[in-house]
Amino acid sequence: DAGVTQSPTHLIKTRGQQVTLRCSPKSGHDTVSWYQQALGQGPQFIFQYYEEEERQRGNFPDRFSGHQFPNYSSELNVNALLLGDSALYLCASGTVMNTEAFFGQGTRLTVV
Amino acid sequence: GENVEQHPSTLSVQEGDSAVIKCTYSDSASNYFPWYKQELGKRPQLIIDIRSNVGEKKDQRIAVTLNKTAKHFSLHITETQPEDSAVYFCAASKSGNTPLVFGKGTRLSVIA
Repeated sequence: DAGVTQSPTHLIKTRGQQVTLRCSPKSGHDTVSWYQQALGQGPQFIFQYYEEEERQRGNFPDRFSGHQFPNYSSELNVNALLLGDSALYLCASGTVMNTEAFFGQGTRLTVV
Repeated sequence: GENVEQHPSTLSVQEGDSAVIKCTYSDSASNYFPWYKQELGKRPQLIIDIRSNVGEKKDQRIAVTLNKTAKHFSLHITETQPEDSAVYFCAASKSGNTPLVFGKGTRLSVIA
């Protein structure tokens, strides 16, 4: 049984560019949440998807958007990248009835 | 919104000693409190969690205690081993798969 998988593992982008990160949830899970983890900090909630809709959102600008597909996989898109967007982006999957969250290995995004 | 404070930020213990990490939260509606272990370059891994209807939970060398009145919870690791060295995060959320709010983490070093 595969756990939560994310791709790519590492990415380098230039300021102003756009990036798409991908996440496949653990088998049996139907919710996907995205978190941003800056160096030396705890993960910060970006948004959560369930039934292909954004259900909850943290304090992140509209440059951060996402999508969930019918197979429950999800994408995180960030437009107009800033240097401050450099971080580890974590995807966590779970079920709508359960608060447990299981994380993927993350995508390390570096903006130069 | 919820705010989670975590102390200490760094902790060094001798192998075999105990380690205690403490967290406080602000939202009295929070009722799920997980702890994650994150090794360098790896995903946060759920190691133990506790819900508000329980005061203490133990799993081998790891235990978590919760004081809902004081709004604080703690992680206790006994008989520490070098492989316990990692960054530990506490988190809090409400029921119904609401987002996790994380503390800033504690870097635990177990010295052999």
